[in-house]
Amino acid sequence: DTGVSQDPRHKITKRGQNVTFRCDPISEHNRLYWYRQTLGQGPEFLTYFQNEAQLEKSRLLSDRFSAERPKGSFSTLEIQRTEQGDSAMYLCASSPGSLRSYNEQFFGPGTRLTVL
Amino acid sequence: KQEVTQIPAALSVPEGENLVLNCSFTDSAIYNLQWFRQDPGKGLTSLLLIQSSQREQTSGRLNASLDKSSGRSTLYIAASQPGDSATYLCAVGGPGTASKLTFGTGTRLQVTL
Repeated sequence: DTGVSQDPRHKITKRGQNVTFRCDPISEHNRLYWYRQTLGQGPEFLTYFQNEAQLEKSRLLSDRFSAERPKGSFSTLEIQRTEQGDSAMYLCASSPGSLRSYNEQFFGPGTRLTVL
Repeated sequence: KQEVTQIPAALSVPEGENLVLNCSFTDSAIYNLQWFRQDPGKGLTSLLLIQSSQREQTSGRLNASLDKSSGRSTLYIAASQPGDSATYLCAVGGPGTASKLTFGTGTRLQVTL
């Protein structure tokens, strides 16, 4: 069990560019969540996958944001035409999905995005 | 819409003190409640998870309680140490079994020598 990993850890981009982040969940965790955290705030939910199916999306996830989990393993989050307001820490979490686990979520180290 | 509030926003205590962090939530229809620790610029580390049917959970020097009907949880830290300095986040999940977590804004704790 190597934990949830995220890549890259830091990304600096210019306004208007596209960026893509990757999340590798804990092996055999079938639920995967994306959250966004701005300075001094708690994380806010963006979207959730059960295996490869995207089951819930927040209103925070504008049409510039898209997330995929093509084979039910790793996930990608893409932001198109980045804006300065997109600057935040993007966190990924996974959970086993069994009733026994009570949906305990385990978080990765995050990707810090800075949009200049 | 679920709202989570944490009080105090910041706390500074001398080493060795016992302390209590508070969390309140507006909708009692929760599935679980998790307490996390976050170090500056880092991800979240899960400390304790309380199922909605439980009243408390303990792990080492940490004890978390849950009073679902009143919408409150507390995290008790015994014999605080400088290494406990971090931001502590409370998050509630539910009502569904796969629901997202709704977070408070955290309590920033500093334990001084």
